[in-house]
Amino acid sequence: GAVVSQHPSRVICKSGTSVKIECRSLDFQATTMFWYRQFPKQSLMLMATSNEGSKATYEQGVEKDKFLINHASLTLSTLTVTSAHPEDSSFYICSARSPSGLAGGIRETQYFGPGTRLLVL
Amino acid sequence: SQQGEEDPQALSIQEGENATMNCSYKTSINNLQWYRQNSGRGLVHLILIRSNEREKHSGRLRVTLDTSKKSSSLLITASRAADTASYFCATNTGGFKTIFGAGTRLFVKA
Repeated sequence: GAVVSQHPSRVICKSGTSVKIECRSLDFQATTMFWYRQFPKQSLMLMATSNEGSKATYEQGVEKDKFLINHASLTLSTLTVTSAHPEDSSFYICSARSPSGLAGGIRETQYFGPGTRLLVL
Repeated sequence: SQQGEEDPQALSIQEGENATMNCSYKTSINNLQWYRQNSGRGLVHLILIRSNEREKHSGRLRVTLDTSKKSSSLLITASRAADTASYFCATNTGGFKTIFGAGTRLFVKA
């Protein structure tokens, strides 16, 4: 089945530093990837839609200068949390969809990564 | 932004009982999906139901969709302790964004 990986799985950083999270589609090309944030005991909140070769589309209330998204290739999107603060501590999850669907899969299905837990001290 | 509301927010049942979770949404959708998430882990896709479908089955899972009421339900039959997790509905509207509901935390007691 389709696999989406994220790296790192867990990161602890000091306040004021920047953290980069990678999202890779391992066995398919993803023209569109999505970044979500999940606070403890809450649902996933869509942050932005990342399109290969173009600028990301951010949801209302998400600071694009703070959460930099780069979708440089069809298999890789990165989310950089700049000048991280303790309130940015969260679980960040990416997902990817293939434009043509996968053999045996459903075109509309998104494939989710395992998530990255960020703790900012 | 969140599309859906789910109820109950939390559900505690005995092993062997059925668990029913409901989801309501606000706008027209292309499809609705249910996901499972174990504590602190990633999402597992359970089932997708399209807007022109009314019911779908997968193993012990049964999903219904009522587009006139903008609601869906997930039924897990003969629950097991291993079914303990959070369950989320998620809707796809135009543009392929997936918007998640608030989720139901299910606890199945052995």
